[in-house]
Amino acid sequence: KQEVTQIPAALSVPEGENLVLNCSFTDSAIYNLQWFRQDPGKGLTSLLLIQSSQREQTSGRLNASLDKSSGRSTLYIAASQPGDSATYLCAVPGAGSYQLTFGKGTKLSVIP
Amino acid sequence: GAVVSQHPSWVICKSGTSVKIECRSLDFQATTMFWYRQFPKQSLMLMATSNEGSKATYEQGVEKDKFLINHASLTLSTLTVTSAHPEDSSFYICSARDLLAGGTYEQYFGPGTRLTVT
Repeated sequence: KQEVTQIPAALSVPEGENLVLNCSFTDSAIYNLQWFRQDPGKGLTSLLLIQSSQREQTSGRLNASLDKSSGRSTLYIAASQPGDSATYLCAVPGAGSYQLTFGKGTKLSVIP
Repeated sequence: GAVVSQHPSWVICKSGTSVKIECRSLDFQATTMFWYRQFPKQSLMLMATSNEGSKATYEQGVEKDKFLINHASLTLSTLTVTSAHPEDSSFYICSARDLLAGGTYEQYFGPGTRLTVT
């Protein structure tokens, strides 16, 4: 059974700092990995999707990397802003299926 | 990106009544949609996989007679919580799967429905 772990559970940084969120998964036989953002009481917004054949994806100030062999992914946020404050979730499809297994998320607070 | 909508965004109902939640893919066709629930400060837990034109597949521990799923078209899936009880109060989120170039899929999520059972 796929298990996804995110570290840290919460993170507070001053505005302008660069930061890294970590995600690890137990079964490396994945098709892709997605990073999502969730604001309080809201649904999920897809940030980045990395295919299993890729090592990283970039979108604006966000960069996500994937190391399948070690079962790890990182989300790098450059020059953080207060608007980046949210919970960040990573998710991978389960073994042999497209159903997503989510980590518990990292709650990010960017202090002005 | 693709857009998924949910209706209603929030609902309050009395214990014992039934509530229907709609999930729509607005600009793409989705043969498969997923229903999740999320308790406060917890991550999303998959409840069931909804397949257009066939019966839904429920995760272990989810009562199929209580959470009725209908995927009648390629753009609409509904979740009906029957005989709702206060413990059913939760945040329900649907997602729809879109086929990408290259043959893999990406899931797009709806904004969620907050259900409160009094």
